[in-house]
Amino acid sequence: DTAVSQTPKYLVTQMGNDKSIKCEQNLGHDTMYWYKQDSKKFLKIMFSYNNKELIINETVPNRFSPKSPDKAHLNLHINSLELGDSAVYFCASSQDKEGGGGPYEQYFGPGTRLTVT
Amino acid sequence: GQNIDQPTEMTATEGAIVQINCTYQTSGFNGLFWYQQHAGEAPTFLSYNVLDGLEEKGRFSSFLSRSKGYSYLLLKELQMKDSASYLCAVSDSNYQLIWGAGTKLIIKP
Repeated sequence: DTAVSQTPKYLVTQMGNDKSIKCEQNLGHDTMYWYKQDSKKFLKIMFSYNNKELIINETVPNRFSPKSPDKAHLNLHINSLELGDSAVYFCASSQDKEGGGGPYEQYFGPGTRLTVT
Repeated sequence: GQNIDQPTEMTATEGAIVQINCTYQTSGFNGLFWYQQHAGEAPTFLSYNVLDGLEEKGRFSSFLSRSKGYSYLLLKELQMKDSASYLCAVSDSNYQLIWGAGTKLIIKP
């Protein structure tokens, strides 16, 4: 059974398009994350959600919007795609809860390789 | 600002021992993680240190010195499959993970 899954695995699209990446975790975790890993392999946190509330929003353009329909899902929607958005996007989850415990290890999905042409 | 430093790349020989260092400067400290990432794959958890000292887990050990803002990952009896990037990450006072850029480890026969 896959713990954290993402779809699609590969996404090739043109500048200006809007696209979404889906993420689901079946670990019962409370917190989910989106990361961007660029060509230099640096892992940058974009968002995290805890019980449907956004608790981290680093300096990410507002073209990126996370959407969490429930605790097990955190989708990433990207508007008006740009060349610089090309990267691998990882979803992750952890047991971290607001107000206590942790930090806990994060479990990563397989990644979505986004190529903008 | 917050900063994590690791060597960009290291090379070692199969069967040998290698130590990957990580130094950090963060606002607060709630523990340090090491992750392994094979090329084209997702990072996977290796270890977590929150107290000073050495944590051993099979061929891998991780050490922490909070006073020095320093950690290392020690890999023994290196195997070809250990060729990967090793990421150091620190949980700060807000429990946010600050990630290093990773160390690419190349194992030669």
